Amino acid sequence: AQSVTQLDSQVPVFEEAPVELRCNYSSSVSVYLFWYVQYPNQGLQLLLKYLSGSTLVKGINGFEAEFNKSQTSFHLRKPSVHISDTAEYFCAVGSGGGADGLTFGKGTHLIIQP
Amino acid sequence: KAGVTQTPRYLIKTRGQQVTLSCSPISGHRSVSWYQQTPGQGLQFLFEYFSETQRNKGNFPGRFSGRQFSNSRSEMNVSTLELGDSALYLCATARGGGPSLNEQFFGPGTRLTVL
Repeated sequence: AQSVTQLDSQVPVFEEAPVELRCNYSSSVSVYLFWYVQYPNQGLQLLLKYLSGSTLVKGINGFEAEFNKSQTSFHLRKPSVHISDTAEYFCAVGSGGGADGLTFGKGTHLIIQP
Repeated sequence: KAGVTQTPRYLIKTRGQQVTLSCSPISGHRSVSWYQQTPGQGLQFLFEYFSETQRNKGNFPGRFSGRQFSNSRSEMNVSTLELGDSALYLCATARGGGPSLNEQFFGPGTRLTVL
């Protein structure tokens, strides 16, 4: 079984400040890691993914994340946030052939303050 | 390239009724998964279809069912609706083949309200 823990339910940040959203996972098999963003009344949009290779992955909108196997973490970072980054962010883990679906964390609400 | 489409976007039903939701995947995507999103439980996996076969099912009662057609379009059905079925139902599709099956692209969802 696999699980995902997003340690912060809400993260308030001032505009143009850096931000880190934390994600820890547990899995007994090889993992594939994802960050999704959800704007109000919309579906989920893929921000970035780790399937294999380099542990530092870059995504859309200036976001990046680092896969740390020893700490079982996949934290999301952005060096300078904008008002438009206000949204719910979900970390997810998949494994194997994908038939088991993705396991999601509870989400982190990123609140950008002007 | 067109994204994942879901119809209808909004639906209001009463307890005891049944409902059918539809999902059209991105062209070339053969895997379709369904998720339920609620404020209390978050995002939960319902089931996944690949080449018209249900390969896995989450921990939901038998009132929740689905199917996939030869063109990869999928439908999910909920019978005997309960108030707790009110949720955003999200469809996600993937290309297929190994790890890429995990890379899922989501539709905008269908907001179901049960009165």
